[in-house]
Order: sequence, then structure tokens, then C-alpha cells
Amino acid sequence: DAGVIQSPRHEVTEMGQEVTLRCKPISGHDYLFWYRQTMMRGLELLIYFNNNVPIDDSGMPEDRFSAKMPNASFSTLKIQPSEPRDSAVYFCASSKERAYNEQFFGPGTRLTVL
Amino acid sequence: DQQVKQNSPSLSVQEGRISILNCDYTNSMFDYFLWYKKYPAEGPTFLISISSIKDKNEDGRFTVFLNKSAKHLSLHIVPSQPGDSAVYFCAASAHTDKLIFGTGTRLQVFP
Repeated sequence: DAGVIQSPRHEVTEMGQEVTLRCKPISGHDYLFWYRQTMMRGLELLIYFNNNVPIDDSGMPEDRFSAKMPNASFSTLKIQPSEPRDSAVYFCASSKERAYNEQFFGPGTRLTVL
Repeated sequence: DQQVKQNSPSLSVQEGRISILNCDYTNSMFDYFLWYKKYPAEGPTFLISISSIKDKNEDGRFTVFLNKSAKHLSLHIVPSQPGDSAVYFCAASAHTDKLIFGTGTRLQVFP
């Protein structure tokens, strides 16, 4: 298996623009997670899905952030409008059977909002 | 409020010596703990885990110790190798919920 795939790897955008990050989880995994990594807060869980259904979105910072999982092999994280403080590395991860099981992370998307 | 804390942002250790990375948690409901390792420009990868029914788990050069009364866990790497240089994250779970990660500790192993 190719592992968790994320695109793009790098994104540079201007404040106010819409940003869409994409993720393809490992086939057969039931759970999908979106994380944000910052120096101050480390790895911060934004939202996670089980069988394509959002379970916990309490980590989503504000209404500008939204996530969808239309099918088992694809998820998006959208920021609209983007702000400079959204600059971070965003990771997607997937796991099998239980949320606390070993999670497999993608390589991340480095987002820079100017 | 940070429920999982790694108070040392960085650690430097000589090759061959022991590396000890520490992690504290505040939620007494946590009963499953994991360590992840992250190289630059890559996602974190799972390293080792421990359940609260144990106080030690070993995997090759890596050992995790859990002190439930102190709400503290540590990762020991013996002997340390240059390839161990990475950021290490500890994570905790209440076994029915998501993982809560710490802020990470950057380990540098020098020759």
C-alpha cells in the first residue's frame, strides 16, 4: 500500500483566499484524522471521521475551517477565508478499527498564508 | 489546556549514551499511551505504546516506562544512535476516544 497520501505538499496563498487540502487514507482504514502542527501547540487534532462520518470536530478552530469525507478514500480540509495565523503543517492520518490505535500519518501539507 | 505535556523542547545526547524523553499528563482517564517519532518533512510514525495495566514495555533499544501515580511516562533509548535524531511526540488516549499529543521533544544524537 502507498500509505496515506496528501496533496499538495506545499501551499502558499494570500490572506483571504480559499485553501483546500486533500487526503487519501490507507485502504481499509475506518478512521481518518486531520491534525495541525505548530510550535506552540504541537500536534493538535482538528477533526476525525469514522466510516466517513464526522465524530469529533471540537478541535476545528473556527467556522472558517470545514472538513468533508464524501467516500472512504478521500477527504478534504478547507479554510475559507485563510489568515496568516493558519500557517502550519497539516497532517492527515488514518487508522483501523479504533480511534486510539496506531495511526498512520501522511507526509503533511505545509501551508503558508501571506 | 494542554493535557499532555513535554516540558523539554530539545535534548542533546552523545552517541552510545542513553536518551530519556519525558512526558506528563493531567487526565487520570488516560489509559493508553504511545510515542511517535518524526523526521523533517515526513509525517510522524508510531514507535512504541503502553497500556495502563503495565508499567514498562520494551522493544529493542526503546523502552517506555509508565508511572500512573505521578502521571508521568518516559521513553528510554539505549544506546542512542545518530539515526534517532528526530522529534518525539508522546500521545495519550482514554481508550474510547482520540489521541491527545504533546508538543514534542527534539532529540539530537551527536557522534
